[in-house]
Amino acid sequence: AQTVTQSQPEMSVQEAETVTLSCTYDTSESDYYLFWYKQPPSRQMILVIRQEAYKQQNATENRFSVNFQKAAKSFSLKISDSQLGDAAMYFCAYNRNAGNMLTFGGGTRLMVKP
Amino acid sequence: KAGVTQTPRYLIKTRGQQVTLSCSPISGHRSVSWYQQTPGQGLQFLFEYFSETQRNKGNFPGRFSGRQFSNSRSEMNVSTLELGDSALYLCASSLGLAGGLDNEQFFGPGTRLTVL
Repeated sequence: AQTVTQSQPEMSVQEAETVTLSCTYDTSESDYYLFWYKQPPSRQMILVIRQEAYKQQNATENRFSVNFQKAAKSFSLKISDSQLGDAAMYFCAYNRNAGNMLTFGGGTRLMVKP
Repeated sequence: KAGVTQTPRYLIKTRGQQVTLSCSPISGHRSVSWYQQTPGQGLQFLFEYFSETQRNKGNFPGRFSGRQFSNSRSEMNVSTLELGDSALYLCASSLGLAGGLDNEQFFGPGTRLTVL
């Protein structure tokens, strides 16, 4: 079974600074997808960024980028120029490319200090 | 285009009762997945439906069941409620079943179930 681990329960960053959230996963599959979701206090899950395992190039979406290390099974999220609105729970998720089932990590609570 | 809607948003039940939660996917989406979110266990996959058929099921007891209708709306049912069933239940819809990047899942706001 696949597992996803987020080792940082909480992180804090100063507004306008950069922060990196860590995620590791375990799988024997070669074809899969990885995601970062944001869950603000409203509880609405929002997709932040996604990565195909077969692509070596790291995905970027505006201020959000990932560092995907397939051999190490690591998938970290970097948030640049942090904003107050970035404060939320962030979940790393894995999809085996067989259906839509997502396996989530335990989450990292990100606090942004003004 | 309207997003994923879930009803009711909040629900209070007592142990032993049963409950039905509803999820209406985005128009045109045929896949609906359900997740349970609790402080202790985090986000856990319950099941996935596509074209009225259950395609995947998570590791939950048989008290948890679901179905999907021809209009892609989905319901999940929990019978004989236990205190540990208190959770936020999220549903997500997507176009198809392929997984991956062209099949983004959109989440609803969730139903908060409290079991007393």
